[in-house]
Amino acid sequence: DADVTQTPRNRITKTGKRIMLECSQTKGHDRMYWYRQDPGLGLRLIYYSFDVKDINKGEISDGYSVSRQAQAKFSLSLESAIPNQTALYFCATSDHRTEQFFGPGTRLTVL
Amino acid sequence: SQQGEEDPQALSIQEGENATMNCSYKTSINNLQWYRQNSGRGLVHLILIRSNEREKHSGRLRVTLDTSKKSSSLLITASRAADTASYFCATDAGLILTGGGNKLTFGTGTQLKVEL
Repeated sequence: DADVTQTPRNRITKTGKRIMLECSQTKGHDRMYWYRQDPGLGLRLIYYSFDVKDINKGEISDGYSVSRQAQAKFSLSLESAIPNQTALYFCATSDHRTEQFFGPGTRLTVL
Repeated sequence: SQQGEEDPQALSIQEGENATMNCSYKTSINNLQWYRQNSGRGLVHLILIRSNEREKHSGRLRVTLDTSKKSSSLLITASRAADTASYFCATDAGLILTGGGNKLTFGTGTQLKVEL
């Protein structure tokens, strides 16, 4: 969905490096989410935020941190990347109790 | 842990045939949603069915929900090659009273291939 953008789209990094993935949305939604997708495992929730002052851990938050800089921006950081964080990362947004709108994804490879 | 489990994991059919995918889940839910993902792309919402609904239609899509069996099915009628994608169910089991909800738990998906 063009209303949800993610940068970068692809990133290759080395073990131990700090990396930030950024998400922006123009849908005016309060709620934003970060997921990772691994082959055969579907999507798993990393962190979510229901408004600018609200940050919550998801199913697999260890090794990740987030920042909600504004209603429209939600960043995911890997403080010290490790190879098993190689995955496809998705940002999503929603209103209360509606469908989620996904960004195009960031393919991250940690060597 | 995965709330939803799709069945089958993979499905291959001929164009024009119907495709049925099933989803089972474990806890009480507020709603269940189906999403589609083309290879390596973002997910696209298809349809949402609330816990008090039993069936819902949208174009060639038909979704059923059986809360007593904790299961849902997605039927795509008259499939087309362009329907080739992965399909995921996702459950919203958030606590309404505490303002939760819309924190989805996704299944592992069904890969559908529609051949000409």
